[in-house]
Amino acid sequence: QKEVEQNSGPLSVPEGAIASLNCTYSDRGSQSFFWYRQYSGKSPELIMSIYSNGDKEDGRFTAQLNKASQYVSLLIRDSQPSDSATYLCADPFNKFYFGSGTKLNVKP
Amino acid sequence: DAGVIQSPRHEVTEMGQEVTLRCKPISGHNSLFWYRQTMMRGLELLIYFNNNVPIDDSGMPEDRFSAKMPNASFSTLKIQPSEPRDSAVYFCASKPGQGRSPLHFGNGTRLTVT
Repeated sequence: QKEVEQNSGPLSVPEGAIASLNCTYSDRGSQSFFWYRQYSGKSPELIMSIYSNGDKEDGRFTAQLNKASQYVSLLIRDSQPSDSATYLCADPFNKFYFGSGTKLNVKP
Repeated sequence: DAGVIQSPRHEVTEMGQEVTLRCKPISGHNSLFWYRQTMMRGLELLIYFNNNVPIDDSGMPEDRFSAKMPNASFSTLKIQPSEPRDSAVYFCASKPGQGRSPLHFGNGTRLTVT
């Protein structure tokens, strides 16, 4: 079992809809997570961090961490075609392991 | 802030040749990570350093791979001899301290071994 698991997708949503991306992790000691976005042919870039249980909102993005269930999610409201990319979650507690990424397609 | 700088951006080499990838972390960052990314395996951690010291190299695929960090501003990842299955994008990333700071990635080196 990998330390951080993600559904590879692709996840397709229409423009303006909410995209929900999920990540599960195996180490109960993990305290915080990062969400990165990676456009095709580019390097990963940080979009969100979450350090405690619950929700954290930043513009159209909301990160959710549920330590009891060991999952972390990213919601993107009012999805735009420019949001089409691969989204990766990362666990800094565990040597910065990354999930395999979920490819998001936002259709105009 | 110049960001993490990797060179070369692209490398094409023949099987059996030695390949050296280079990385300059962000000034002041004392943790450096090397990753390999392929479609099949995603983003794999190869090795990471804290204060120029290798902390965990359990992700290095085999003895053909080696990494060094002779000083705080430079690191290399060497593959000798290279094989076609080493073809991938190799990323270097750095972060400050050992706390909860995020990683900052370089632009990557796309390696093709023919």
